Amino acid sequence: QSVLTQPPSASGTPGQRVTISCSGSSSNIGSNTVNWYQQLPGTAPKLLIYTGNQRPSGVPDRFSGSKSGTSASLAISGLQSEDEADYYCAAWDDSLNGYVFGTGTKVTVL
Amino acid sequence: QVQLQESGPGLVKPSETLSLMCTVSGGSISSYYWSWIRQPPGKGLEWIGFISYTGSTNYIPSLKSRVTISIDTSKNQFSLKLSSVTAADTAVYYCARAGSSFGADALDIWGQGTMVTVSS
Repeated sequence: QSVLTQPPSASGTPGQRVTISCSGSSSNIGSNTVNWYQQLPGTAPKLLIYTGNQRPSGVPDRFSGSKSGTSASLAISGLQSEDEADYYCAAWDDSLNGYVFGTGTKVTVL
Repeated sequence: QVQLQESGPGLVKPSETLSLMCTVSGGSISSYYWSWIRQPPGKGLEWIGFISYTGSTNYIPSLKSRVTISIDTSKNQFSLKLSSVTAADTAVYYCARAGSSFGADALDIWGQGTMVTVSS
């Protein structure tokens, strides 16, 4: 059972903005940086956002991350069909002394 | 360009030990933190643990009693052993790298994953 909670699904039409929330606690998001991963169907996850709001080279600036208190968010602006994927937040948890992933959110482009 | 490749049996019998290897190519294993993550069919990601290039380990508490991660720097490989497996351990197992410039815990390079089924 994950300690980071995400909505199971999100959707939008091409060009729309979609936001995914990630709710945690003081032992994880509240005290450590948040990373986001994108998992396209049938593939391995890919690092999408690191240390909360930074994008690795090659990740479009349509993707952005933010954090407030014990929650984090991933925003996808200008939604495109190739953004259909599962998205996971993750952070180190000081209480568990381990890395925890969110429950995952499936993004559908209508 | 660093690449990771998992290898090992795709089928393991209940109560036996699951053993997987991750081979690092295109770069040295003698740095960073090397992790194992798994994903049961149709479900989310679960971090199993990591090992540093110096051999220090950290495991998820729920699996700690059954997991061993080891590293062989001479072969640029690290491995996962999970004992006393049950059907609940059926999953795609990924190896991944952390500790790069993206942050201590950001998993920036992943293997393609290998499916392991626990069944008699």
